[in-house]
Amino acid sequence: RKEVEQDPGPFNVPEGATVAFNCTYSNSASQSFFWYRQDCRKEPKLLMSVYSSGNEDGRFTAQLNRASQYISLLIRDSKLSDSATYLCVVNTGGSYIPTFGRGTSLIVHP
Amino acid sequence: DVKVTQSSRYLVKRTGEKVFLECVQDMDHENMFWYRQDPGLGLRLIYFSYDVKMKEKGDIPEGYSVSREKKERFSLILESASTNQTSMYLCATAGQGDSPLHFGNGTRLTVT
Repeated sequence: RKEVEQDPGPFNVPEGATVAFNCTYSNSASQSFFWYRQDCRKEPKLLMSVYSSGNEDGRFTAQLNRASQYISLLIRDSKLSDSATYLCVVNTGGSYIPTFGRGTSLIVHP
Repeated sequence: DVKVTQSSRYLVKRTGEKVFLECVQDMDHENMFWYRQDPGLGLRLIYFSYDVKMKEKGDIPEGYSVSREKKERFSLILESASTNQTSMYLCATAGQGDSPLHFGNGTRLTVT
């Protein structure tokens, strides 16, 4: 199974900052992409799907670059409550077998 | 809203015991998964199932087995628990196509 790679961080940013994470994938046949958020000792929760044309949900923007095989997550106006680990998930077509990155840790400080 | 329920939040078992972790979903999803998550290693897939009575090995199936007798229930079995199976176990489900995964709230298993 192909890999999905993320910078583990931590990204340490002040409140109000803009921060971006990238996630690279190696299988060009990958078809669907997601960002999850995981708080300490909790289960991952879906943050947003990533669409080919890019998509936005409030302060969060996700983009897909198929040519360079990466997805990105941009968080604007960071809040303390955004502190968490962000996991990217890539699903390769055919059998449904999601592959997870190891996550990027974000710490937002006052 | 999808509901994925794992039978226990915390579990402590002794080495050599047979351990059952249960996962039940209420959304009629075909796909169900068992992961374990350890610090620095991320989520690793143990087993998954596409349908009733079907099962496939994931990346780390050794020491585990699974059962899916009903569509809504996917059980993970540790035949003889060992200390290196101390971990957070996460069950997840997904519908067809490009559906995202939905997780249960996890079982933190300690094997002593």
